[in-house]
Amino acid sequence: NAGVTQTPKFRVLKTGQSMTLLCAQDMNHEYMYWYRQDPGMGLRLIHYSVGEGTTAKGEVPDGYNVSRLKKQNFLLGLESAAPSQTSVYFCASSWPGTAGELFFGEGSRLTVL
Amino acid sequence: AQSVTQPDIHITVSEGASLELRCNYSYGATPYLFWYVQSPGQGLQLLLKYFSGDTLVQGIKGFEAEFKRSQSSFNLRKPSVHWSDAAEYFCAVGAKAAGNKLTFGGGTRVLVKP
Repeated sequence: NAGVTQTPKFRVLKTGQSMTLLCAQDMNHEYMYWYRQDPGMGLRLIHYSVGEGTTAKGEVPDGYNVSRLKKQNFLLGLESAAPSQTSVYFCASSWPGTAGELFFGEGSRLTVL
Repeated sequence: AQSVTQPDIHITVSEGASLELRCNYSYGATPYLFWYVQSPGQGLQLLLKYFSGDTLVQGIKGFEAEFKRSQSSFNLRKPSVHWSDAAEYFCAVGAKAAGNKLTFGGGTRVLVKP
């Protein structure tokens, strides 16, 4: 069972470059999320989606864009990467009504030089 | 706005000893509370959750947590720690609103000594 799959798992970028992280889930979940994890700060919500074609801002959305063109995929884009975006990014998904029972991917480590 | 505080950044415990991780939350209504565990290089896995009812909840891997409304706390416990429990633990608060969004604490890293 694949669950939530993130690609790529590691990436190094130079300041100003762009990239896209892909999240795919095979559990038919309605909700999907992108979090970033930084030491001592736990996980902070970047953007989320409550269904295909919908997206919403989370706690730290600046510098990121997302798209949910298909129910099973949630893309996170960085148009012009900055060193402050060096982090580990986690995708998660869930069903409505479960109030926070999220299923997480294994993370994508991004370094911006 | 909701918030979660985990006062202990690191905890070292001997194998076989008991473990308690502290979590304090701030939330305007009845919170939905969660503990997640993250093993090195892995994503987060749900340990247990509290929605309502019995304030002592049981989870996987022998963990339990107690909700204390008067103290705004949801502490995680395990009577006897195994070496495989070395990981980072996150407390989180959520609401049954659109989006199932969670707010996480900063995490507590647990080291288990042989």
